[in-house]
This record gives sequence, C-alpha cells and structure tokens, in this order.
Amino acid sequence: KNEVEQSPQNLTAQEGEFITINCSYSVGISALHWLQQHPGGGIVSLFMLSSGKKKHGRLIATINIQEKHSSLHITASHPRDSAVYICAGADQFYFGTGTSLTVIP
Amino acid sequence: GAVVSQHPSRVICKSGTSVKIECRSLDFQATTMFWYRQFPKKSLMLMATSNEGSKATYEQGVEKDKFLINHASLTLSTLTVTSAHPEDSSFYICSARDTRGQSSYGYTFGSGTRLTVV
Repeated sequence: KNEVEQSPQNLTAQEGEFITINCSYSVGISALHWLQQHPGGGIVSLFMLSSGKKKHGRLIATINIQEKHSSLHITASHPRDSAVYICAGADQFYFGTGTSLTVIP
Repeated sequence: GAVVSQHPSRVICKSGTSVKIECRSLDFQATTMFWYRQFPKKSLMLMATSNEGSKATYEQGVEKDKFLINHASLTLSTLTVTSAHPEDSSFYICSARDTRGQSSYGYTFGSGTRLTVV
C-alpha cells in the first residue's frame, strides 16, 4: 500500500466544471505539496501547506493534518488545466501516484 | 520567483556511455537539491538528496556508483548516469527549495531530462 493515495486516478471533466482531487496519507508529515505535471514532463509546485486552506487563482488546496487528508479544488476548469496532479509529503520521500485530469472544451 | 534550470531536456546516448545532467538554481542559492526518477505512468521516485560541499544521500536501492551526484556550488548540482544501459532510460528531474522563503509554493522543479539509452 502506498503511503500516499490519491483519488481519482483519472478524471475527465467538461470545461467550467468544479473539480476535486483527494489525497490521503498514512505517514506523519509536517506539510504537503500539490504538484502539477504537464504532458511535456515539467513540474510546477502549486502549493505547500501544513494547515487550513490556500488559494491561488482558480486553485484551492485544503489540508486536515489530524485526518491526514488534503484536497485540491479547481474552479471553472479550463482545458489548460489538463495535467497530472500529484500530492507529496513535504519531506520529499512520499509521492502520490497522481491524478490525470483532462478538461474537455 | 525561484527558477531551476535543468539541461539537457532530452538526450539519447549509446549503451555504455555516460551522461551528465545539470540542475542550476538561477536566482537563489540551494544548499540542498533533490534528484528524482519517473517511470512511464508512475509517480516520482526520490533518488538522492544532493548537499552542497558534501556527499549526496542516496535512497535505498539507488546505486551510488551508477548515479554520481556532485553539488560543487550553491547553484549547481549534477547527476551523471555512468555506463548507461537501456533500463536507465527514464525521466530525471531535480528540485530545490529557495530557503530565502520567497517561494510560497514549496519546492521549485527543473523541467526534467528525458534520457533514452539505445
């Protein structure tokens, strides 16, 4: 069993839909990253959070350390949001398996 | 914001040769950089932690003599895949954290290197 589990593994949405990607972890971590990997392979760090909620544009990330759960939300999804989203423990050792998101125009 | 430059982005090499991948922090100093490997349709796997001025720390199962890491300056870390074989073909990516605290998004990643060994 992976220490970090993401769901869903694959997600297809219509443009404009509200999207939620979930991340649950079984290890103790002090903070969690949400990463975005585009088809070309490049990775962008979207958020690093240890509590509560962070917002950046149309992206919102929440974390509940006690429940060991985090969510990434995308509001008003757009085709350019199509990518693989990965959650990872801040200590760099634990990576989720990724959620492949496709947003259809 | 913090930028990490990684090159080459793609390299094809013959079996038995060595390939060097560079990772540079362009506008900040990175005392620690991380090297990852990613297999097709799989998530990232941490290979090693590169520490400026000292030996790298390798994860279990990663061959130190195969994957040589050098972090000779505060802005440059290199990964050399020695005597490459087809099974070394993969996507390699580095990351660093801007310890000045200017990055509120955590670690900054390089753009990755697609290595193909033929």
